[in-house]
Amino acid sequence: GQQVMQIPQYQHVQEGEDFTTYCNSSTTLSNIQWYKQRPGGHPVFLIQLVKSGEVKKQKRLTFQFGEAKKNSSLHITATQTTDVGTYFCAESNFGNEKLTFGTGTRLTIIP
Amino acid sequence: DGGITQSPKYLFRKEGQNVTLSCEQNLNHDAMYWYRQDPGQGLRLIYYSQIVNDFQKGDIAEGYSVSREKKESFPLTVTSAQKNPTAFYLCASSIDRSGQYNEQFFGPGTRLTVL
Repeated sequence: GQQVMQIPQYQHVQEGEDFTTYCNSSTTLSNIQWYKQRPGGHPVFLIQLVKSGEVKKQKRLTFQFGEAKKNSSLHITATQTTDVGTYFCAESNFGNEKLTFGTGTRLTIIP
Repeated sequence: DGGITQSPKYLFRKEGQNVTLSCEQNLNHDAMYWYRQDPGQGLRLIYYSQIVNDFQKGDIAEGYSVSREKKESFPLTVTSAQKNPTAFYLCASSIDRSGQYNEQFFGPGTRLTVL
Protein backbone atom coordinates (compact mmCIF):
# COMPACT_ATOMS: atom_id res chain seq x y z
CA GLY A 1 0.00 0.00 0.00
CA GLN A 2 0.86 3.65 -0.18
CA GLN A 3 3.57 4.67 2.27
CA VAL A 4 3.20 7.96 4.12
CA MET A 5 6.22 8.99 6.14
CA GLN A 6 5.69 11.80 8.61
CA ILE A 7 8.49 13.12 10.81
CA PRO A 8 9.14 13.70 13.60
CA GLN A 9 6.80 11.44 15.55
CA TYR A 10 7.01 13.69 18.62
CA GLN A 11 8.13 17.26 19.15
CA HIS A 12 8.43 19.11 22.44
CA VAL A 13 9.05 22.84 22.18
CA GLN A 14 9.18 25.79 24.49
CA GLU A 15 6.30 28.17 24.06
CA GLY A 16 7.33 30.77 21.51
CA GLU A 17 9.64 28.45 19.55
CA ASP A 18 8.92 27.38 16.01
CA PHE A 19 7.75 23.91 14.98
CA THR A 20 7.88 22.02 11.70
CA THR A 21 6.51 18.65 10.63
CA TYR A 22 7.30 16.95 7.33
CA CYS A 23 5.43 14.52 5.15
CA ASN A 24 7.14 12.46 2.45
CA SER A 25 5.71 10.12 -0.16
CA SER A 26 7.35 7.65 -2.52
CA THR A 27 4.91 8.60 -5.27
CA THR A 28 3.68 11.78 -6.91
CA LEU A 29 0.57 13.04 -5.23
CA SER A 30 -2.51 14.70 -6.63
CA ASN A 31 -3.06 16.70 -3.47
CA ILE A 32 -2.28 16.78 0.21
CA GLN A 33 -4.41 17.77 3.18
CA TRP A 34 -3.42 18.66 6.73
CA TYR A 35 -5.47 17.93 9.84
CA LYS A 36 -5.09 18.75 13.53
CA GLN A 37 -6.32 16.52 16.35
CA ARG A 38 -6.44 18.02 19.84
CA PRO A 39 -5.84 15.62 22.75
CA GLY A 40 -9.00 13.57 23.26
CA GLY A 41 -10.58 15.06 20.16
CA HIS A 42 -11.12 14.25 16.53
CA PRO A 43 -9.19 15.40 13.44
CA VAL A 44 -10.14 18.78 12.06
CA PHE A 45 -9.28 19.86 8.52
CA LEU A 46 -6.73 22.67 8.26
CA ILE A 47 -5.90 23.06 4.58
CA GLN A 48 -5.47 21.42 1.18
CA LEU A 49 -2.57 21.89 -1.24
CA VAL A 50 -2.95 20.96 -4.89
CA LYS A 51 -0.39 22.80 -7.01
CA SER A 52 3.31 22.07 -7.33
CA GLY A 53 5.33 24.40 -5.09
CA GLU A 54 2.19 25.81 -3.49
CA VAL A 55 2.55 27.80 -0.26
CA LYS A 56 -0.42 28.74 1.89
CA LYS A 57 -0.54 30.63 5.18
CA GLN A 58 -3.04 30.66 8.01
CA LYS A 59 -1.90 33.21 10.60
CA ARG A 60 1.16 31.56 12.22
CA LEU A 61 0.86 28.36 10.14
CA THR A 62 2.64 27.97 6.80
CA PHE A 63 1.95 25.00 4.55
CA GLN A 64 4.14 23.99 1.60
CA PHE A 65 3.78 21.46 -1.19
CA GLY A 66 7.02 20.35 -2.85
CA GLU A 67 7.87 21.13 -6.44
CA ALA A 68 7.75 17.42 -7.32
CA LYS A 69 4.51 16.97 -5.34
CA LYS A 70 6.12 14.24 -3.25
CA ASN A 71 6.54 16.08 0.04
CA SER A 72 4.91 18.70 2.18
CA SER A 73 5.58 20.61 5.37
CA LEU A 74 3.68 22.46 8.06
CA HIS A 75 5.54 25.19 9.93
CA ILE A 76 4.21 26.98 13.01
CA THR A 77 5.87 30.24 14.01
CA ALA A 78 6.05 31.20 17.68
CA THR A 79 4.06 28.30 19.10
CA GLN A 80 1.33 28.88 21.65
CA THR A 81 -0.32 26.47 24.07
CA THR A 82 -3.33 26.31 21.79
CA ASP A 83 -1.15 24.62 19.16
CA VAL A 84 -0.90 21.45 21.25
CA GLY A 85 -2.12 18.36 19.42
CA THR A 86 -1.25 15.89 16.71
CA TYR A 87 -0.83 17.10 13.15
CA PHE A 88 -1.56 14.69 10.33
CA CYS A 89 -0.92 14.94 6.64
CA ALA A 90 -3.26 13.03 4.36
CA GLU A 91 -2.28 12.14 0.83
CA SER A 92 -3.96 10.85 -2.26
CA ASN A 93 -2.65 9.67 -5.62
CA PHE A 94 -4.11 10.26 -9.03
CA GLY A 95 -7.01 7.89 -9.64
CA ASN A 96 -7.28 6.96 -5.98
CA GLU A 97 -10.35 8.31 -4.24
CA LYS A 98 -9.04 7.45 -0.79
CA LEU A 99 -6.95 9.52 1.56
CA THR A 100 -3.97 7.92 3.26
CA PHE A 101 -3.08 9.51 6.56
CA GLY A 102 0.42 9.88 7.88
CA THR A 103 1.30 8.64 11.35
CA GLY A 104 1.16 12.17 12.71
CA THR A 105 3.45 14.45 14.68
CA ARG A 106 2.47 15.01 18.27
CA LEU A 107 3.32 18.52 19.45
CA THR A 108 3.61 19.37 23.11
CA ILE A 109 4.36 22.86 24.41
CA ILE A 110 6.46 23.58 27.46
CA PRO A 111 5.10 26.79 29.02
CA ASP B 1 -26.57 22.08 14.05
CA GLY B 2 -25.07 20.29 11.08
CA GLY B 3 -22.48 17.64 11.69
CA ILE B 4 -21.60 14.03 12.30
CA THR B 5 -22.69 12.14 15.37
CA GLN B 6 -21.26 8.91 16.67
CA SER B 7 -22.68 6.95 19.52
CA PRO B 8 -21.86 5.88 22.05
CA LYS B 9 -18.68 7.72 23.04
CA TYR B 10 -17.42 4.76 25.06
CA LEU B 11 -18.35 1.13 24.45
CA PHE B 12 -17.37 -2.00 26.30
CA ARG B 13 -17.94 -5.51 24.98
CA LYS B 14 -16.94 -9.00 25.87
CA GLU B 15 -14.63 -10.89 23.59
CA GLY B 16 -16.51 -12.89 20.95
CA GLN B 17 -19.44 -10.50 20.67
CA ASN B 18 -20.28 -8.49 17.59
CA VAL B 19 -20.83 -4.78 18.16
CA THR B 20 -22.25 -2.07 15.89
CA LEU B 21 -21.03 1.51 16.00
CA SER B 22 -23.37 4.23 14.85
CA CYS B 23 -22.51 7.10 12.50
CA GLU B 24 -25.06 9.66 11.34
CA GLN B 25 -24.53 12.85 9.33
CA ASN B 26 -26.91 15.65 8.40
CA LEU B 27 -24.50 17.43 6.08
CA ASN B 28 -26.03 15.88 2.95
CA HIS B 29 -22.63 14.43 2.10
CA ASP B 30 -22.35 11.63 -0.44
CA ALA B 31 -19.19 9.98 0.86
CA MET B 32 -18.64 8.44 4.29
CA TYR B 33 -15.64 6.73 5.84
CA TRP B 34 -14.64 4.63 8.83
CA TYR B 35 -11.18 4.86 10.33
CA ARG B 36 -9.46 3.11 13.16
CA GLN B 37 -6.91 4.90 15.36
CA ASP B 38 -4.61 3.09 17.77
CA PRO B 39 -2.59 4.91 20.46
CA GLY B 40 0.22 6.96 18.98
CA GLN B 41 -0.71 5.98 15.46
CA GLY B 42 -2.36 7.53 12.47
CA LEU B 43 -5.75 6.81 10.98
CA ARG B 44 -6.24 3.61 9.01
CA LEU B 45 -9.16 3.28 6.62
CA ILE B 46 -11.55 0.40 7.28
CA TYR B 47 -14.38 0.95 4.79
CA TYR B 48 -15.73 3.80 2.74
CA SER B 49 -18.88 4.53 0.78
CA GLN B 50 -19.23 7.03 -2.02
CA ILE B 51 -22.94 6.52 -2.63
CA VAL B 52 -25.94 4.86 -1.05
CA ASN B 53 -26.03 1.05 -1.35
CA ASP B 54 -22.36 0.88 -2.32
CA PHE B 55 -19.19 0.61 -0.26
CA GLN B 56 -15.56 -0.36 -0.69
CA LYS B 57 -12.98 -2.06 1.51
CA GLY B 58 -10.23 0.10 2.90
CA ASP B 59 -6.80 -1.00 4.05
CA ILE B 60 -7.89 -2.99 7.12
CA ALA B 61 -11.39 -4.32 6.35
CA GLU B 62 -10.92 -7.83 7.74
CA GLY B 63 -13.18 -8.48 10.71
CA TYR B 64 -15.46 -5.51 9.96
CA SER B 65 -18.66 -5.02 7.99
CA VAL B 66 -20.70 -1.98 6.97
CA SER B 67 -23.95 -1.02 5.30
CA ARG B 68 -25.13 2.14 3.55
CA GLU B 69 -28.89 1.90 3.21
CA LYS B 70 -29.44 5.61 3.77
CA LYS B 71 -27.36 8.59 2.72
CA GLU B 72 -27.11 9.89 6.27
CA SER B 73 -26.15 6.64 7.99
CA PHE B 74 -23.09 4.39 7.78
CA PRO B 75 -22.96 1.90 10.67
CA LEU B 76 -19.87 -0.21 11.30
CA THR B 77 -20.04 -3.70 12.79
CA VAL B 78 -16.98 -5.02 14.55
CA THR B 79 -17.27 -8.78 14.35
CA SER B 80 -15.77 -11.46 16.53
CA ALA B 81 -13.38 -12.21 13.67
CA GLN B 82 -11.50 -8.95 14.32
CA LYS B 83 -8.43 -10.07 16.23
CA ASN B 84 -7.66 -6.84 18.07
CA PRO B 85 -10.82 -4.70 18.14
CA THR B 86 -9.94 -2.37 21.03
CA ALA B 87 -9.34 1.02 19.43
CA PHE B 88 -10.72 4.50 18.77
CA TYR B 89 -13.11 4.47 15.81
CA LEU B 90 -13.69 7.60 13.77
CA CYS B 91 -16.39 8.19 11.19
CA ALA B 92 -16.00 10.91 8.57
CA SER B 93 -17.86 12.31 5.60
CA SER B 94 -17.07 14.44 2.58
CA ILE B 95 -19.30 16.34 0.22
CA ASP B 96 -19.02 14.21 -2.90
CA ARG B 97 -17.39 11.19 -4.46
CA SER B 98 -14.12 12.93 -5.24
CA GLY B 99 -12.98 12.30 -1.72
CA GLN B 100 -9.40 13.21 -2.28
CA TYR B 101 -10.24 16.80 -3.23
CA ASN B 102 -12.68 17.52 -0.47
CA GLU B 103 -12.06 17.95 3.21
CA GLN B 104 -13.30 15.24 5.47
CA PHE B 105 -15.47 16.09 8.46
CA PHE B 106 -15.02 13.81 11.44
CA GLY B 107 -17.37 12.72 14.16
CA PRO B 108 -16.31 12.73 17.83
CA GLY B 109 -15.36 9.04 17.72
CA THR B 110 -16.25 5.91 19.68
CA ARG B 111 -13.71 4.34 21.97
CA LEU B 112 -14.31 0.58 21.93
CA THR B 113 -12.83 -1.64 24.60
CA VAL B 114 -13.16 -5.40 24.30
CA LEU B 115 -12.67 -7.21 27.57
